[in-house]
Amino acid sequence: EDQVTQSPEALRLQEGESSSLNCSYTVSGLRGLFWYRQDPGKGPEFLFTLYSAGEEKEKERLKATLTKKESFLHITAPKPEDSATYLCAALGGLTGGGNKLTFGTGTQLKVEL
Amino acid sequence: IAGITQAPTSQILAAGRRMTLRCTQDMRHNAMYWYRQDLGLGLRLIHYSNTAGTTGKGEVPDGYSVSRANTDDFPLTLASAVPSQTSVYFCASSHRPGLAGGNEQFFGPGTRLTVL
Repeated sequence: EDQVTQSPEALRLQEGESSSLNCSYTVSGLRGLFWYRQDPGKGPEFLFTLYSAGEEKEKERLKATLTKKESFLHITAPKPEDSATYLCAALGGLTGGGNKLTFGTGTQLKVEL
Repeated sequence: IAGITQAPTSQILAAGRRMTLRCTQDMRHNAMYWYRQDLGLGLRLIHYSNTAGTTGKGEVPDGYSVSRANTDDFPLTLASAVPSQTSVYFCASSHRPGLAGGNEQFFGPGTRLTVL
């Protein structure tokens, strides 16, 4: 069974204090690793897709990386507006067709002034 | 504005009542999905549809049904609601399942459902 585990569950940073969020996955035949941002009361917002070990994607203060067992979301010099829950999801091999994502439970990030 | 709309935004429902959550996308995506999100459990797939006219069961399908009569709409029905179906429900869509680059799922704003 595919599994995705995120850590830490919650993270509090000072503005400008860089850190990383972890996503460990156990998925047979990984076809993609996805990162989403979710604000309170809203739907998840797509950030990145990573397909193979060694791949990196960047967007503003965020950089996502992928190894064969885990993915990291690095946040450089965060600002209060980066506060949100960050979700990781893995897409395993085709079973009966379709894109069945397995989600982690998320890391709740709070960035303070 | 392109995207996914869901209705209603929130609903309080008596146990045993029938309820349909609506989802419409205007991105011409082939695949659509219904998830529920519960504290501590994350997002769990209820049902999915790879293309109009087809549907499939996800991780937690019991008590729910879906239909996909056309590309744009994917309603979720609770035939007889129970309190354990209290949750936030999200609809999502993706371009073409199985093809590289078409796997990203885009989510609607959600429906908050309370069953009493």
